Amino acid sequence: EAEVAQSPRYKITEKSQAVAFWCDPISGHATLYWYRQILGQGPELLVQFQDESVVDDSQLPKDRFSAERLKGVDSTLKIQPAELGDSAMYLCASSSGTGGYSYTDTQYFGPGTRLTVL
Amino acid sequence: KQEVTQIPAALSVPEGENLVLNCSFTDSAIYNLQWFRQDPGKGLTSLLLIQSSQREQTSGRLNASLDKSSGRSTLYIAASQPGDSATYLCAVDSNYQLIWGAGTKLIIKP
Repeated sequence: EAEVAQSPRYKITEKSQAVAFWCDPISGHATLYWYRQILGQGPELLVQFQDESVVDDSQLPKDRFSAERLKGVDSTLKIQPAELGDSAMYLCASSSGTGGYSYTDTQYFGPGTRLTVL
Repeated sequence: KQEVTQIPAALSVPEGENLVLNCSFTDSAIYNLQWFRQDPGKGLTSLLLIQSSQREQTSGRLNASLDKSSGRSTLYIAASQPGDSATYLCAVDSNYQLIWGAGTKLIIKP
């Protein structure tokens, strides 16, 4: 069964350092999402891609966060510099949706990357 | 602004019981509502999706209902099993955003 892959699974870093997370969506899925989930809370959408284009990055802290999906397949989320408040689970999801803001299509989630900033 | 609330935050019941998890939302103008399951330290798995025109969806021992007018959804789990232990989250597709509840942590005691 196809799955969303994420790496690393765990990352510990010191504040002010740079970190990067990688996501490989299910093959053929055009839509890719990055979420941040703080312990005890629901996920918060950071950025949504349709193929290689950003559909929504309104909640992405652009002063320190960046995301790219250059060839419309895998994606990288970067934080530079990391701050203590960035400690969270970073989740990647993909869906076969054809675009826009529809969430009708089921989103398939990866296992996440647990980030701890010291 | 749409807000999604799940109460209780945690629930512990003996194995075999039927149970109901609750999700409420403040704005009835939704596109759909989804229920997800999250195991500790892992990603989320979609369980059920209810379109705004539907009243309920069923999958195995799970049944989700939607009452838009009252801003409520319930997830009914029949004959609970220890393997059902997880956090259950609901998410509302509203105003071009997916708004999430904080989840209910469910523990099924053997």
